[in-house]
Amino acid sequence: DTEVTQTPKHLVMGMTNKKSLKCEQHMGHRAMYWYKQKAKKPPELMFVYSYEKLSINESVPSRFSPECPNSSLLNLHLHALQPEDSALYLCASSQGAGTGNQPQHFGDGTRLSIL
Amino acid sequence: AQKVTQAQTEISVVEKEDVTLDCVYETRDTTYYLFWYKQPPSGELVFLIRRNSFDEQNEISGRYSWNFQKSTSSFNFTITASQVVDSAVYFCALRLNSGGYQKVTFGTGTKLQVIP
Repeated sequence: DTEVTQTPKHLVMGMTNKKSLKCEQHMGHRAMYWYKQKAKKPPELMFVYSYEKLSINESVPSRFSPECPNSSLLNLHLHALQPEDSALYLCASSQGAGTGNQPQHFGDGTRLSIL
Repeated sequence: AQKVTQAQTEISVVEKEDVTLDCVYETRDTTYYLFWYKQPPSGELVFLIRRNSFDEQNEISGRYSWNFQKSTSSFNFTITASQVVDSAVYFCALRLNSGGYQKVTFGTGTKLQVIP
């Protein structure tokens, strides 16, 4: 079982809907990440939170809105998405953001389909 | 800019064969970290190994072994006596220790199919 839990595992939504993806970890990690992965492609970084503050936004459209309520939780709020946003959304965490040697631990992902 | 190249898009082997997955990286930094991740069809990326740029010692973990060679900027991964459960997409990744240290550069992945 993964130590990073993502819900829901599958999500189908219309372009006018508002939904949220959730991610939770209890490893005491202080850095959390959202990635987007299209089929047969590597994960693409979207956002990085370090100590509950947004530190990296990879020029992601505003229809994606991240939120980090506390050190264990990471949300991704979705609104007015486009069909091309259909993908696997992965959450990850790492022990700290101080150095690059900390491996990222990933959740199972949420498979998102936009109708 | 950093780059990770996994030239093998897909590999098929028969169970019990050995298989090597290639990874070549590019960076101007002298301190960096290399990773291998496994992604089974379920979607989760599973961390397999981390290697520091200043540690060229090869590593073996059960049926898995890794060969790190700075001279050729390669970090290859060998599975000995492959099993059907090894079928997955494998990603090699690079992370720096400065500036954009939070960013991971992934290779395009190698899909391994182990045929029973």
